[in-house]
Amino acid sequence: EADIYQTPRYLVIGTGKKITLECSQTMGHDKMYWYQQDPGMELHLIHYSYGVNSTEKGDLSSESTVSRIRTEHFPLTLESARPSHTSQYLCASNPSGGAHEQFFGPGTRLTVL
Amino acid sequence: AQSVTQLGSHVSVSEGALVLLRCNYSSSVPPYLFWYVQYPNQGLQLLLKYTSAATLVKGINGFEAEFKKSETSFHLTKPSAHMSDAAEYFCAVSKGNFGNEKLTFGTGTRLTIIP
Repeated sequence: EADIYQTPRYLVIGTGKKITLECSQTMGHDKMYWYQQDPGMELHLIHYSYGVNSTEKGDLSSESTVSRIRTEHFPLTLESARPSHTSQYLCASNPSGGAHEQFFGPGTRLTVL
Repeated sequence: AQSVTQLGSHVSVSEGALVLLRCNYSSSVPPYLFWYVQYPNQGLQLLLKYTSAATLVKGINGFEAEFKKSETSFHLTKPSAHMSDAAEYFCAVSKGNFGNEKLTFGTGTRLTIIP
């Protein structure tokens, strides 16, 4: 079973607040990803990292930022939350090489009022 | 560029009936293909994957999928639906080569099981 954790699971916050969504994995995976998913919709890649100090923007433009200072930790930050940021955010990881399946965390459902 | 098309955003089947969820892909290189399942308020769980070995792939919970290159398809099937199969299902594709493992997901199919 994959060990990838996300906190908080649910977050309701007011407009303009700074928030950080946490993602950690204990599998030693090099690669980590953040996806944004609106209810009943597909997943859109917003950020990814192929290792420590490596971060790249994904296919969907996002106002969020990420950092990768430690292998196991890949937090996502919104400097000033807006209602348009309301969504579910999913974190995933996988090892280098191999069959490339990604392991997903349980997600954070963010609501910005 | 690679892409995935899932035909049918909603599929309903009776309990005990055959489940068939359709996925067609587009890829410039031999792809890796995946089916994931998502239950409400949870992340995605891998059902099965195709990585250029056997074209008929068996996964968890009785699901299987067949890679058909001539039809560029990777449809998901289960012989007999169970109530617990009700969920959202996503097909995904990656190019698979090192350094290019990003997944592209389909729009998903919501499976409803009728008692």
